Amino acid sequence: GAGVSQTPSNKVTEKGKYVELRCDPISGHTALYWYRQSLGQGPEFLIYFQGTGAADDSGLPNDRFFAVRPEGSVSTLKIQRTERGDSAVYLCASSFGGRGNEQFFGPGTRLTVL
Amino acid sequence: SQQGEEDPQALSIQEGENATMNCSYKTSINNLQWYRQNSGRGLVHLILIRSNEREKHSGRLRVTLDTSKKSSSLLITASRAADTASYFCATCLSNDYKLSFGAGTTVTVRA
Repeated sequence: GAGVSQTPSNKVTEKGKYVELRCDPISGHTALYWYRQSLGQGPEFLIYFQGTGAADDSGLPNDRFFAVRPEGSVSTLKIQRTERGDSAVYLCASSFGGRGNEQFFGPGTRLTVL
Repeated sequence: SQQGEEDPQALSIQEGENATMNCSYKTSINNLQWYRQNSGRGLVHLILIRSNEREKHSGRLRVTLDTSKKSSSLLITASRAADTASYFCATCLSNDYKLSFGAGTTVTVRA
């Protein structure tokens, strides 16, 4: 079946602009995760959804970052007033259930803030 | 903060040789997962090993887990050029769900 998809694959924006990154998880996966990966580093956790609710948003760096999953499937990561330090690859993953299960990752969105 | 640490940071081997990389972590885990990443994009899941398991195999991959030393190793046997990638270990803590990744090991397989 189809894997996790993310759009856009690349996003270039200017400092101060608003961006939305979309994630379409594997059908039937109830858990959805967002991670951020900077160059030369491993992914870092941002937020976790179980169904429609954000079960853990402790990884969001500040209040400029927000994510939703209104129908328990597609999720959107929203970044307001982007800064150059937000430049990274944003990865989405989904899993069946949550705790301790294998996570399937999408190809990521490379965000560049000029 | 990152819980896992891979060693070495980089590894260069000849095609056909074996590649071994290690991962150390700090706190008790539910499971440990190894991922491969090509060209800095999507991660491909390789193996999940649970805290009550000591060894798992998948094709040319062998993973060991030593919870007393809080460490894991990934062995790739008979390496191929297509194995060139970055390899990450990720831990899932007990009573948790998110993954904590290390900085990865970059493996280059020379033809």
